Amino acid sequence: KNQVEQSPQSLIILEGKNCTLQCNYTVSPFSNLRWYKQDTGRGPVSLTIMTFSENTKSNGRYTATLDADTKQSSLHITASQLSDSASYICVVSATSSNTGKLIFGQGTTLQVKP
Amino acid sequence: SAVISQKPSRDICQRGTSLTIQCQVDSQVTMMFWYRQQPGQSLTLIATANQGSEATYESGFVIDKFPISRPNLTFSTLTVSNMSPEDSSIYLCSVAGTGISYNEQFFGPGTRLTVL
Repeated sequence: KNQVEQSPQSLIILEGKNCTLQCNYTVSPFSNLRWYKQDTGRGPVSLTIMTFSENTKSNGRYTATLDADTKQSSLHITASQLSDSASYICVVSATSSNTGKLIFGQGTTLQVKP
Repeated sequence: SAVISQKPSRDICQRGTSLTIQCQVDSQVTMMFWYRQQPGQSLTLIATANQGSEATYESGFVIDKFPISRPNLTFSTLTVSNMSPEDSSIYLCSVAGTGISYNEQFFGPGTRLTVL
């Protein structure tokens, strides 16, 4: 069964600290893995997208890694800011075409406190 | 990237009524999708909106309950029919196939629906 599991479910950190969110998947075939940030009351916004051959990709203070062998990904947030408080969703696409067949993780809720 | 707007942004409706949600994109897109996000849950694909033809529904979703229209490459509507409290969710429009960002999928801001 195609699944995406994220950990931790929720996380509280102090402003300025770093954190790492985890994503394990059992999706096959695999096309790409995406990390989205979803602010409360908003739609998800793409942070990174990685294909099978990419090990790491950065977007500002966000760095995603992918290990296609172990089917694991992580999202590292550096020097967290209050605006990083959101839900972070790991999403895996099982096809190369855009059919909407995305498998969503449950998300990690991050709260950054001053 | 694509700029997506949805109307209404939120609504409170009575049981048994219907609500139509509009999705407008600022550029022509190949694919348009409708998702549901129930409280505390992740996103679930309802259907793919096909231009000029019937939408393609995922398992568990039917046209009578969620009729969808897509008259052109920039606009789609989703109707939630004969609503019950279980339909209380966020409904999101999503698009893909936009020029250089072909592998990307963009989401609208969502419509927060509460059914009493």
